[in-house]
Amino acid sequence: SQTIHQWPATLVQPVGSPLSLECTVEGTSNPNLYWYRQAAGRGLQLLFYSVGIGQISSEVPQNLSASRPQDRQFILSSKKLLLSDSGFYLCAWSDGTVRETQYFGPGTRLLVL
Amino acid sequence: SQQGEEDPQALSIQEGENATMNCSYKTSINNLQWYRQNSGRGLVHLILIRSNEREKHSGRLRVTLDTSKKSSSLLITASRAADTASYFCATDSPDRGSTLGRLYFGRGTQLTVWP
Repeated sequence: SQTIHQWPATLVQPVGSPLSLECTVEGTSNPNLYWYRQAAGRGLQLLFYSVGIGQISSEVPQNLSASRPQDRQFILSSKKLLLSDSGFYLCAWSDGTVRETQYFGPGTRLLVL
Repeated sequence: SQQGEEDPQALSIQEGENATMNCSYKTSINNLQWYRQNSGRGLVHLILIRSNEREKHSGRLRVTLDTSKKSSSLLITASRAADTASYFCATDSPDRGSTLGRLYFGRGTQLTVWP
């Protein structure tokens, strides 16, 4: 069966510090991968999606970047965090062919102080 | 950007009652999905209904879809305290070209079920 991991679960970082959030998927090949941010009490904002290694599409201009160094690894990064980067970050995957249902990781809560 | 909008934003009911949540969207779709999110957790897929379907059931869940009104409803029957969560609808959007599996989520309905 497929599983998706995210870490860390919680992160408190000072403004201006770098960020690296990791997401890995097991039990599937060639998945589509997604990074979302969810502000408190709000819906999901798609940040990045990837259809293959090294292929990243950005949905909104921002202080963040994403990379996919391996088929089942998706990394969200920032060189210098802003206060507005605080939020709940969710990674998700979908089957690379069917691309209908998305399966979410447990999320990372980021607080930038 | 969001396409689906859930209504109401919050719903509070007693155990055993039915809970109905609605979702409206703006463009044509291939399918519509409902997800559930427990506080501080990831989303869990509940059910998918295709544009050529009008109703679908899964356990205590009943989903309807009216493509003429661009709306869907999620009914949870005989609710339990464990159903307390946020519920999101999500649509694809073929009108926006290649979707690449892109989903558009609403802001969600917060359901609270009191024991």
